[in-house]
Amino acid sequence: GQNIDQPTEMTATEGAIVQINCTYQTSGFNGLFWYQQHAGEAPTFLSYNVLDGLEEKGRFSSFLSRSKGYSYLLLKELQMKDSASYLCAVRDRGYSTLTFGKGTMLLVSP
Amino acid sequence: DGGITQSPKYLFRKEGQNVTLSCEQNLNHDAMYWYRQDPGQGLRLIYYSQIVNDFQKGDIAEGYSVSREKKESFPLTVTSAQKNPTAFYLCASSALPGQGTEAFFGQGTRLTVV
Repeated sequence: GQNIDQPTEMTATEGAIVQINCTYQTSGFNGLFWYQQHAGEAPTFLSYNVLDGLEEKGRFSSFLSRSKGYSYLLLKELQMKDSASYLCAVRDRGYSTLTFGKGTMLLVSP
Repeated sequence: DGGITQSPKYLFRKEGQNVTLSCEQNLNHDAMYWYRQDPGQGLRLIYYSQIVNDFQKGDIAEGYSVSREKKESFPLTVTSAQKNPTAFYLCASSALPGQGTEAFFGQGTRLTVV
């Protein structure tokens, strides 16, 4: 099975940088995903890591260390619209299913 | 436009009634999933299917049933056996590992049982 931990809530200021951490324990690993979810809406894909290192995509970057069972999502130049829940998910090698953490609610203030 | 469609967006049912949630995708994805989301609980897997006419239980399958008669469709029935059915239900699809990466989600159905 999978166990995924991420902070429940974070706050940050517009224009700042914020890092959302995710740790996981897994019996199999076939990639780690980050999704953004605004209240009442569907999650939207942000990033995917399967090898160690940093993946950069515009204002968002994601890092993975498989040996440590650790990932983070880095958001730069925060905007008010970035206020949302950020979900960390791990894909199991055997089943291709995604197991999600409980999400981190990010509040960006002016 | 390719995508995944859930209907309806809001659904109200009386306690004890079965209800079926629709999920259709035109992305040609082999795998489809149903998740349930409750406040503070994250997404929990109900059922998934990797091929037509086959599906597997997820972590919280009790009180739910599914079918996969067509590649494009994966309806979820919430039965009267589900003790706490009020929740936000999300359908997703993906290519199988090695053929693609992320899962795409529908807009969700918010089910309220009164």
